[in-house]
Amino acid sequence: SSELTQDPAVSVALGQTVRITCQGDSLGSHYASWYQQKPGQAPVLVIYGKNVRTLGIPDRFSGSSSGTTASLIITGAQAEDEADYYCNSRDSSGYHWVFGGGTKLTVL
Amino acid sequence: QVQLVESGGGLVKPGGSLRLSCAASGFTFSDYYMTWIRQAPGKGLEWVSYISSSGSTIYYADSVKGRFTISRDNPKKSLYLQMNSLRAEDTAVYYCARLSRSANGDYLQHWGQGTLVTVSS
Repeated sequence: SSELTQDPAVSVALGQTVRITCQGDSLGSHYASWYQQKPGQAPVLVIYGKNVRTLGIPDRFSGSSSGTTASLIITGAQAEDEADYYCNSRDSSGYHWVFGGGTKLTVL
Repeated sequence: QVQLVESGGGLVKPGGSLRLSCAASGFTFSDYYMTWIRQAPGKGLEWVSYISSSGSTIYYADSVKGRFTISRDNPKKSLYLQMNSLRAEDTAVYYCARLSRSANGDYLQHWGQGTLVTVSS
């Protein structure tokens, strides 16, 4: 079982704000990174560290963290944001990496 | 630009072996940790292994430890994954990815397009 827990599915109305969360003990001492994956494509890095957005990612994407929970926030979700989102971090040992189970985002 | 191109996937019988390769270009390969990540059909991402820039530090997921071996050839700018004693549950798309390490944590900025490994009799 994954040491990072995500909600399997989340939906948001077009133009509204959505928060995708990732919970795990290791997040209390390690940053999370977030990846977007669309069907048939490789994952794409969206956010890492203390809310660093990778080049080419729209500024409606942001990240936050509190305690052992990391969040990916999409402010004003667009149809093209519909995808699977995965968080990633080190595990509690610090030597291995682990992905969350993924969240399927539907934009209504 | 950074490119990672995996190869070597295919159909293999349970108990068989396969060697995956990842050819890197567009960056100084020897400066970066590299990782393998896999995704079973219809499932989520699973970290498999990583190797340090020099090759001196290696870690594996428990699910593959003792069966898979990660290695790299820095002059050839290539990453490898030797997979032995393959099982049906190893069936997945295997991605190589470049691992960046910073004060802002670790992240996988660049991914290949993946190579499909199917373990079936």
